[in-house]
Amino acid sequence: DSGVTQTPKHLITATGQRVTLRCSPRSGDLSVYWYQQSLDQGLQFLIQYYNGEERAKGNILERFSAQQFPDLHSELNLSSLELGDSALYFCASSPGQSSSYEQYFGPGTRLTVT
Amino acid sequence: AQSVAQPEDQVNVAEGNPLTVKCTYSVSGNPYLFWYVQYPNRGLQFLLKYITGDNLVKGSYGFEAEFNKSQTSFHLKKPSALVSDSALYFCAVRDVNYGGSQGNLIFGKGTKLSVKP
Repeated sequence: DSGVTQTPKHLITATGQRVTLRCSPRSGDLSVYWYQQSLDQGLQFLIQYYNGEERAKGNILERFSAQQFPDLHSELNLSSLELGDSALYFCASSPGQSSSYEQYFGPGTRLTVT
Repeated sequence: AQSVAQPEDQVNVAEGNPLTVKCTYSVSGNPYLFWYVQYPNRGLQFLLKYITGDNLVKGSYGFEAEFNKSQTSFHLKKPSALVSDSALYFCAVRDVNYGGSQGNLIFGKGTKLSVKP
């Protein structure tokens, strides 16, 4: 158990809908990262927050947004969902901003768009 | 741009034999390299990392990795494979495009390790 929790575990929704994925980092970790894992794209970085502020953006679509709250939990919002958004979404956390820190991953949320 | 390559989609090993999962990298500057393992329907678990220092890095579950700067490689190794090592293995490099102080991980495509009894 990494100490990173994600809810829900599974999500099935229809095209055009909006969903929110939630992540609680390990106790004491200030950085939260979101990744998308799909068969065709592999593991892709979406976005990073550090202590409530956005720090880095990767291949995140404009339909997707995220935030990190004062209690350090983070939410990833996916809107106007398309079939291609079906994937496993991981949250990871690390203690700070140092590049030497490893990231600890949650169990993921499996999103299925029908 | 930073990148990692895992040239083998799958590696098959007999239990008890040594295993190697290959990874090569391309970075500007000093590489920060990581290995993760993913079991079915689970998140990624950290195995080991190379930041600086000794080229041979020891990690969890008996795994180790050898950093080779001249060959830009960071191969994962284990002297004696177990059936329970069967999983998907990812090599990753830290993306230092954001000022070097923080950055996401750039992952390889993964290598499926299959250890047969």
